[in-house]
Amino acid sequence: QVQLQESGPGLVKPSETLSLTCTVAVGSVTNPTDYWCWVRQPPGKGLEWIGYVYHSGKTNYNPSLQSRATISADTSRNQFSLKVTSVTAADTAVYYCARWYYVSGRPFDSWGQGMLVTVSS
Amino acid sequence: DIQLTQSPSSLSASVGDRVTITCRASQNIITYLNWYQQKPGKAPKVLMSAASSLQGGVPSRFSGSGSGTDFSLIISNLQPEDFATYYCQQTYSIPLTFGGGTKVEIK
Repeated sequence: QVQLQESGPGLVKPSETLSLTCTVAVGSVTNPTDYWCWVRQPPGKGLEWIGYVYHSGKTNYNPSLQSRATISADTSRNQFSLKVTSVTAADTAVYYCARWYYVSGRPFDSWGQGMLVTVSS
Repeated sequence: DIQLTQSPSSLSASVGDRVTITCRASQNIITYLNWYQQKPGKAPKVLMSAASSLQGGVPSRFSGSGSGTDFSLIISNLQPEDFATYYCQQTYSIPLTFGGGTKVEIK
């Protein structure tokens, strides 16, 4: 079973850059069936997919973030990361990393425990 | 973007009840539809993939059906641990999207 762990600052100032890292503690980011995703959930609200990275470096993003998000993979450290620039209070959310298992029904079958990031001065 | 509309947004039910949650997609997603359960303070957990394929370790009282644009998640014989919020998700096309959620509460 793949195990994921988010890390990074829990407080970010408005207009600055949010940076989070997801460590794949069990499993490998180079597994060819896997895409590595970030999902966020504002307090009391639903889930929003942010984007994915494949181990080759291929990425895809939700247009709702208006090009502010960047996801990258570090295969040597078995990690992948998220950066969101020019944050506002609307970016306050629990951020989850997840594995998108790209076979059969293509579910998100492994998730990190989630990390609350608050945007505030 | 493919919109997923879940109904109801919330419901109250009793232990032992049969509960049906529906998810309607704004366009044909074949069977690229997954269901998740989320409890407060926890990450979502996948229950069902490909509309009707039960994930390992998920009790058989959960079942899923549908294809195209209309899907259902059924919980038969509702148990205390099933009170949670349920989300559908489409993985047919980018951007991947989730339904708005259905909160199942104790009556």
